[in-house]
Amino acid sequence: DADVTQTPRNRITKTGKRIMLECSQTKGHDRMYWYRQDPGLGLRLIYYSFDVKDINKGEISDGYSVSRQAQAKFSLSLESAIPNQTALYFCATSDLGTVSDTQYFGPGTRLTVL
Amino acid sequence: LAKTTQPISMDSYEGQEVNITCSHNNIATNDYITWYQQFPSQGPRFIIQGYKTKVTNEVASLFIPADRKSSTLSLPRVSLSDTAVYYCLVGYYRDDKIIFGKGTRLHILP
Repeated sequence: DADVTQTPRNRITKTGKRIMLECSQTKGHDRMYWYRQDPGLGLRLIYYSFDVKDINKGEISDGYSVSRQAQAKFSLSLESAIPNQTALYFCATSDLGTVSDTQYFGPGTRLTVL
Repeated sequence: LAKTTQPISMDSYEGQEVNITCSHNNIATNDYITWYQQFPSQGPRFIIQGYKTKVTNEVASLFIPADRKSSTLSLPRVSLSDTAVYYCLVGYYRDDKIIFGKGTRLHILP
């Protein structure tokens, strides 16, 4: 969905480096999410935020941190990258005002940690 | 949180109708049922959502029996481009989080 953008789209880094993945949205949604996807597995939730002052851990938050700089921006950081964090990372948004909570996903960031 | 169970994979042929069933035995009263489609290296895309009975849009139909313990996504006359992973999710917007399972890998053959 063009309304949710992620940068960079691809990144190769080395073990121990600090990496930041960025997500921006123009949908005006309150909720934002970070997921990772490994080959053959479904999406696993890393962190989520229901508004600028709200940050919550997901299923697999260890080794990651996030920052909600504004309603439209949600960044994911890997403080010290390790090879098993090699994965496809997706950002998503949803509208707090709707009961159905449909999520809209960005195009993904492919991260490789050597 | 309601857990869902769906087949790991399915094969079908172009022009056929495909039905993917999802089991969600502990669905809560407020929960909605949502299906997403994901192509390789892309983010999931919303297909359809329902609460009860039948919902139809330009892409698919969703059948939900009265007890809501399962749901069936129906894709009419599939084409090769429908080859994707399909996820069934159950939840409500007040939930802390909605969980994506491994989905059903649908492979359409010519």
